[in-house]
Amino acid sequence: DGGITQSPKYLFRKEGQNVTLSCEQNLNHDAMYWYRQDPGQGLRLIYYSQIVNDFQKGDIAEGYSVSREKKESFPLTVTSAQKNPTAFYLCASSIWDGAGYNEQFFGPGTRLTVL
Amino acid sequence: KNQVEQSPQSLIILEGKNCTLQCNYTVSPFSNLRWYKQDTGRGPVSLTIMTFSENTKSNGRYTATLDADTKQSSLHITASQLSDSASYICVVSSTNTGGFKTIFGAGTRLFVKA
Repeated sequence: DGGITQSPKYLFRKEGQNVTLSCEQNLNHDAMYWYRQDPGQGLRLIYYSQIVNDFQKGDIAEGYSVSREKKESFPLTVTSAQKNPTAFYLCASSIWDGAGYNEQFFGPGTRLTVL
Repeated sequence: KNQVEQSPQSLIILEGKNCTLQCNYTVSPFSNLRWYKQDTGRGPVSLTIMTFSENTKSNGRYTATLDADTKQSSLHITASQLSDSASYICVVSSTNTGGFKTIFGAGTRLFVKA
């Protein structure tokens, strides 16, 4: 998956608990992204980061939080405030060009299930 | 509203046959259009990218076309193989003074049968 890893592959969580999904890349990319994928829908952007110590909300940021303390790492926390967290979560990274031209390389994904 | 619509939703073909997947978009202003292949339970992998001035782009047995006037793109797969079974996602990027936005289609699920 092009030098970008996500863990764990499967994650189960009880309602009311926060959970953190890991994303690491060794592609030396400045930009990193988190998406959520639901059946029958296109990927939706949760958060993205253009550079270390900076990140921006995407289209569906409510109930999620991120940090970008290192270039290689962009963990996503799904909080108890997220109303419907069960989904497939994809992390991606790219060279930042401000125009969306450069390819985003995706990790293998984490499937989160709330019990 | 910026949208990317793909058709058909799913498709079943026999191994060795050709197929064409469609993508219509209303994204504006247009920057580029990319096709991704996503195997089940995996992340998407880029197949092709086209900008406004490009009409066609090939990658092996995959050929993408773009008509920027009608805002339509297609992905043609030649001599399909069992490994082509996957979801194919059309992605359109838009740029303006505020930055850029990337809109993903819901994908077409292709099943190739022996």
